[in-house]
Amino acid sequence: GEDVEQSLFLSVREGDSSVINCTYTDSSSTYLYWYKQEPGAGLQLLTYIFSNMDMKQDQRLTVLLNKKDKHLSLRIADTQTGDSAIYFCAETTSGSARQLTFGSGTQLTVLP
Amino acid sequence: KAGVTQTPRYLIKTRGQQVTLSCSPISGHRSVSWYQQTPGQGLQFLFEYFSETQRNKGNFPGRFSGRQFSNSRSEMNVSTLELGDSALYLCASSSDKETQYFGPGTRLLVL
Repeated sequence: GEDVEQSLFLSVREGDSSVINCTYTDSSSTYLYWYKQEPGAGLQLLTYIFSNMDMKQDQRLTVLLNKKDKHLSLRIADTQTGDSAIYFCAETTSGSARQLTFGSGTQLTVLP
Repeated sequence: KAGVTQTPRYLIKTRGQQVTLSCSPISGHRSVSWYQQTPGQGLQFLFEYFSETQRNKGNFPGRFSGRQFSNSRSEMNVSTLELGDSALYLCASSSDKETQYFGPGTRLLVL
C-alpha cells in the first residue's frame, strides 16, 4: 500500500538552511510534491518533481529525489521567520493521477 | 486568475444533521478533488470529479458524497453527521495531471 512518512518537527535559526525529509513506499509514484500550510489556511503548492528527475531548484527551494531509496527532501535556503509552517510531502501514482497521498507533515519552526 | 474558493469557511452542525460544502475551482480547471484533514488521520482523499463525473473515490463511507456541475463547481455532502466528521475539508482544482491548487478550506465542527 501507499505510505508517505515525514519527521514531525524541525527547528532552525533564521538565516540557516532547513532540510525537510520524506520517504515513500510506492514504486509507481509519478510526481512528488511539497505543500506548505500556515495556521488556519489551506495548502500552498511550493514545488513538485517528476519521478524521473533527481533534482529541481526554484529560487530558495531545492528538491532532491533519490528514487532508489524512495527518499525526497526539500531544502530551504536562508530560512526566514515567514517560512514557519507545516510542510507536507505528497505523491501521486500512475494508477491515480490526481489522488494525492500525503505525509503527516513536518512542523518547521524558525527561531530568530 | 482568482484562486480556488470554498464556502462557507466555517460551519457548526449537530450530530445527525447533514451539510453541503461548495467549491469553485480556478477558471478553466475541470478537475476538482476533495480532502479531509483531521489531527488524527491527517490529510485523506475523499473523491475527484472531472467533467461532472466521479473518477476516483477514497475510503470513506457512503455518507460522504459529491457532485460537479457543468461549470466545474463542485459540492460535497455529508449526511447523518458524526462527531468524527469534524475536520477541515479542502478542495483542490487542477487543469492537468501535474498540479493541484487548494482552496482555504471549510472548517466543520460537529457538536
